[in-house]
Amino acid sequence: GENVEQHPSTLSVQEGDSAVIKCTYSDSASNYFPWYKQELGKRPQLIIDIRSNVGEKKDQRIAVTLNKTAKHFSLHITETQPEDSAVYFCAASTSNFGNEKLTFGTGTRLTIIP
Amino acid sequence: EPEVTQTPSHQVTQMGQEVILRCVPISNHLYFYWYRQILGQKVEFLVSFYNNEISEKSEIFDDQFSVERPDGSNFTLKIRSTKLEDSAMYFCASSVTSPPGTQYFGPGTRLLVL
Repeated sequence: GENVEQHPSTLSVQEGDSAVIKCTYSDSASNYFPWYKQELGKRPQLIIDIRSNVGEKKDQRIAVTLNKTAKHFSLHITETQPEDSAVYFCAASTSNFGNEKLTFGTGTRLTIIP
Repeated sequence: EPEVTQTPSHQVTQMGQEVILRCVPISNHLYFYWYRQILGQKVEFLVSFYNNEISEKSEIFDDQFSVERPDGSNFTLKIRSTKLEDSAMYFCASSVTSPPGTQYFGPGTRLLVL
């Protein structure tokens, strides 16, 4: 089955600097890669996703890149703000009709230092 | 904006007791999922459900677990005889139509088995 590795496990950056979180996946059939932000005790919230026919996607300060050949994808947050502090999870999915189970990475605790 | 809802938010039960966790997916969604997250760990897939049947289940989802969509709005997860290791946050998620679909998570039910 799919295995998703995520690094680093913790990341501290100064407010205003950029943060990068990296994930690798094992199943070359995976074709959907969402990123979720989870604040303490809250639900995972989708912040951005990318599909395998696209190499990069950007939404304001957040961007995701995908390298299908190397089987890795990354989350980039620019101009970080204190409210970006949370745990971020990457995930991968192989779309079979009626089933798109997400396999999550182990999470990155991002701390923005004011 | 429509959201997935879950009840109860917290549930404390004795080992060996049955629990039912309830979810109301977003109304036009067709794919339903249960995930769990043990404290401090990653989110893990339990089961996916489409067209009134299970699409896929993980090895965690053993005979003690069952899911049901008893009516047009609710989606339930039953644990027949709870174990201490079932203590976790249980998230319901739903997605709409064609794969790959964005999965939206509910707020979770925190289950504590004593």
